[in-house]
Amino acid sequence: AQSVTQLDSQVPVFEEAPVELRCNYSSSVSVYLFWYVQYPNQGLQLLLKYLSGSTLVESINGFEAEFNKSQTSFHLRKPSVHISDTAEYFCAVSGNTDKLIFGTGTRLQVFP
Amino acid sequence: EAGVAQSPRYKIIEKRQSVAFWCNPISGHATLYWYQQILGQGPKLLIQFQNNGVVDDSQLPKDRFSAERLKGVDSTLKIQPAKLEDSAVYLCASSSEAGGWYGYTFGSGTRLTVV
Repeated sequence: AQSVTQLDSQVPVFEEAPVELRCNYSSSVSVYLFWYVQYPNQGLQLLLKYLSGSTLVESINGFEAEFNKSQTSFHLRKPSVHISDTAEYFCAVSGNTDKLIFGTGTRLQVFP
Repeated sequence: EAGVAQSPRYKIIEKRQSVAFWCNPISGHATLYWYQQILGQGPKLLIQFQNNGVVDDSQLPKDRFSAERLKGVDSTLKIQPAKLEDSAVYLCASSSEAGGWYGYTFGSGTRLTVV
């Protein structure tokens, strides 16, 4: 069975500052890892995913995440955040089934 | 391509009443999922369909929840009777491959409030 822990329920940050949203997972099998973003009153949107290959994956809007197998982590980072990045971010894991196991989410609040 | 459509967007009902949610996945997507997202928690899978067959319904409270996907296209999730703890956002998602690692496409969800 897999599980996901998002250590921070809320992360406040000023605009243009760097941010890291932490995600740790546990699994007895090889995993696929995802970050989803949820803007207010909207559905979940896939931000980026790690399936195999390079451990550093990037999204089109400047976010990146690094798969660290030894630390069982998949932290999400952005070097300079914008007001529009304010949203809820969910880390998710999938093992050898189709089921996505989500973390409890981290609310990123960007202040001007 | 059109996204995953869900209706209604919002629903308020009294406990012990029944309610139904509808989902129309992306055209051609064989796999359809219903997730429950309680406030402050991550989404939790309720049921997964592959075409019109159930693949996983281990987390579905079958005494009150039911779901169907007739003809392998759109799907309906029903709650009867509803309890206060069913208040949540119900998300529908679909994927084009059997493996979820290709990434789901989620609908905007139905926010259910049970009073």
